[in-house]
Amino acid sequence: GAGVSQSPRYKVAKRGQDVALRCDPISGHVSLFWYQQALGQGPEFLTYFQNEAQLDKSGLPSDRFFAERPEGSVSTLKIQRTQQEDSAVYLCASSLGRLNTEAFFGQGTRLTVV
Amino acid sequence: GENVEQHPSTLSVQEGDSAVIKCTYSDSASNYFPWYKQELGKRPQLIIDIRSNVGEKKDQRIAVTLNKTAKHFSLHITETQPEDSAVYFCAAQRGGYQKVTFGIGTKLQVIP
Repeated sequence: GAGVSQSPRYKVAKRGQDVALRCDPISGHVSLFWYQQALGQGPEFLTYFQNEAQLDKSGLPSDRFFAERPEGSVSTLKIQRTQQEDSAVYLCASSLGRLNTEAFFGQGTRLTVV
Repeated sequence: GENVEQHPSTLSVQEGDSAVIKCTYSDSASNYFPWYKQELGKRPQLIIDIRSNVGEKKDQRIAVTLNKTAKHFSLHITETQPEDSAVYFCAAQRGGYQKVTFGIGTKLQVIP
């Protein structure tokens, strides 16, 4: 596709349920990022991949959060045993991976935990 | 790690006036500073960026300045229009590493 695609666009989960959020980056983009954006806030870094290697997961808020990119393309962010504070928009972005190049964002997945 | 502070958090200007948003960063190794615009319910989109070897960059009605010594950078929008109304995020990226750290955002309202 022409841009970064995320699915689903909206997800309502009951507290305690596991969810999986998908990101399809722009073809050929080496770097892939996940951000969490709470209402009225800036995007907060969660984790970053270079190809299939997860180089930084320092932003993941707890061990309930897990991300993977097994073939260096599509990535999945999984949240286990969701809690209300997990409610946010989860943004995925990709870039060519060279130094200082534009990161292109997907539309995001709005997760609401009830 | 990098810390990016942004202010003001909200800004209202009359159509035609200028708007200025300021950011500071903490990591002296950061060398790339993009600015993103996010309209309500939409994805952030890059509007302008500046690299550390440049002090100022301009693109039509928007300009960005960078002071590496003071570790601050600013976005200037001249002749504002209602379609400029959005949330603007500054960001900083460290050389050799692709993590991008965002500021908290500035909600700009341009009053017709």
